[in-house]
Amino acid sequence: KQEVTQIPAALSVPEGENLVLNCSFTDSAIYNLQWFRQDPGKGLTSLLLIQSSQREQTSGRLNASLDKSSGRSTLYIAASQPGDSATYLCAPANDYKLSFGAGTTVTVRA
Amino acid sequence: DAGVIQSPRHEVTEMGQEVTLRCKPISGHNSLFWYRQTMMRGLELLIYFNNNVPIDDSGMPEDRFSAKMPNASFSTLKIQPSEPRDSAVYFCASSLSTTYEQYFGPGTRLTVT
Repeated sequence: KQEVTQIPAALSVPEGENLVLNCSFTDSAIYNLQWFRQDPGKGLTSLLLIQSSQREQTSGRLNASLDKSSGRSTLYIAASQPGDSATYLCAPANDYKLSFGAGTTVTVRA
Repeated sequence: DAGVIQSPRHEVTEMGQEVTLRCKPISGHNSLFWYRQTMMRGLELLIYFNNNVPIDDSGMPEDRFSAKMPNASFSTLKIQPSEPRDSAVYFCASSLSTTYEQYFGPGTRLTVT
């Protein structure tokens, strides 16, 4: 069974700082890995999908890296803004099955 | 483009009542997933359909839960009879089976009193 750990559980930073969110997983035989954002009381928004053959994926201020062999992924958010405040979830996929971490709750202070 | 649509958004019911949650996946997506999210257990996959056929229902907690997908644009998750421990947010997600990038709906917040 895939176990996913996200560190830290919570993070509070002043606006403008770069964010580094870590994810580790136990089963490296993944198909891909998705990073999601969840706002309070809302659904999950897909931020980035990184295929198992890729080392990184970028979208705007977001960059995700993947080291499949060591079971790690990192999400970098550059120049954080108060609108980035949310919970970020990492989800490696074994075939169709996503396994979710508990998430990192980010607060960006204006 | 419309995303995944779920209804109702909120449901409050009494223990013992039947509850039906509905989902319309993104047009063209052939995979559909039902998830449940609670504070204690996080996000759990309940059931996975591919081309309208249930492929993996190992996450369905017990016989009180059932799911159907009568066509490519509609799925239901039914709980009968409902119990207070079923209170959670239920999400539907869809994807293309070629990419497996999942897109989530806004969820249905279920409260069973």
